[in-house]
Amino acid sequence: KAGVTQTPRYLIKTRGQQVTLSCSPISGHRSVSWYQQTPGQGLQFLFEYFSETQRNKGNFPGRFSGRQFSNSRSEMNVSTLELGDSALYLCASSSGLAEPSSYNEQFFGPGTRLTVL
Amino acid sequence: AQKVTQAQTEISVVEKEDVTLDCVYETRDTTYYLFWYKQPPSGELVFLIRRNSFDEQNEISGRYSWNFQKSTSSFNFTITASQVVDSAVYFCALSGLGLYNFNKFYFGSGTKLNVKP
Repeated sequence: KAGVTQTPRYLIKTRGQQVTLSCSPISGHRSVSWYQQTPGQGLQFLFEYFSETQRNKGNFPGRFSGRQFSNSRSEMNVSTLELGDSALYLCASSSGLAEPSSYNEQFFGPGTRLTVL
Repeated sequence: AQKVTQAQTEISVVEKEDVTLDCVYETRDTTYYLFWYKQPPSGELVFLIRRNSFDEQNEISGRYSWNFQKSTSSFNFTITASQVVDSAVYFCALSGLGLYNFNKFYFGSGTKLNVKP
């Protein structure tokens, strides 16, 4: 089974630009979560998508948005980039089953390293 | 509020030494999951263990062992006879259950482990 793939792996942008990152989950998985990793703030949850709907979100400004397609692939968009947006962006996929008592193991991709100049 | 604290920022040991990585968590949930992930320099988070709040049994997997104590809200990770390949950043994480907690991990700040030959 192929793992989680993220494209591109590296990206350099300048302040004010916008960027779109892509995540393809493991086949059959319907949930995709996004995380931002920075040296100062560590790993922080951005949002989670399940069956094309945003189900959960973290505390990030509206410049950070995402979407999920019918094939479960997800994109994350950051508009009006700031220097502080430089980070490793990780996505994770899981089955996303909704039973309250079940657990959804998350499998992480290799990340996209975004540098904002 | 959910919070995970890894007080040890960086630990250096010599190969074959035992090392314990500490993790303390805070949650108001009665049901939750705890995790340990390893992040090698490549950036991808590698799953090590999951433990639910109902199960306080310690677990051993090869050179790895985990000590979960609800009374002290701790979930510590021990590597026995460390090896150079264990060098990485290790993250402890917490996740709740329920629809609005799915796949929303709260990560600690990570402990960088340096194992020297």
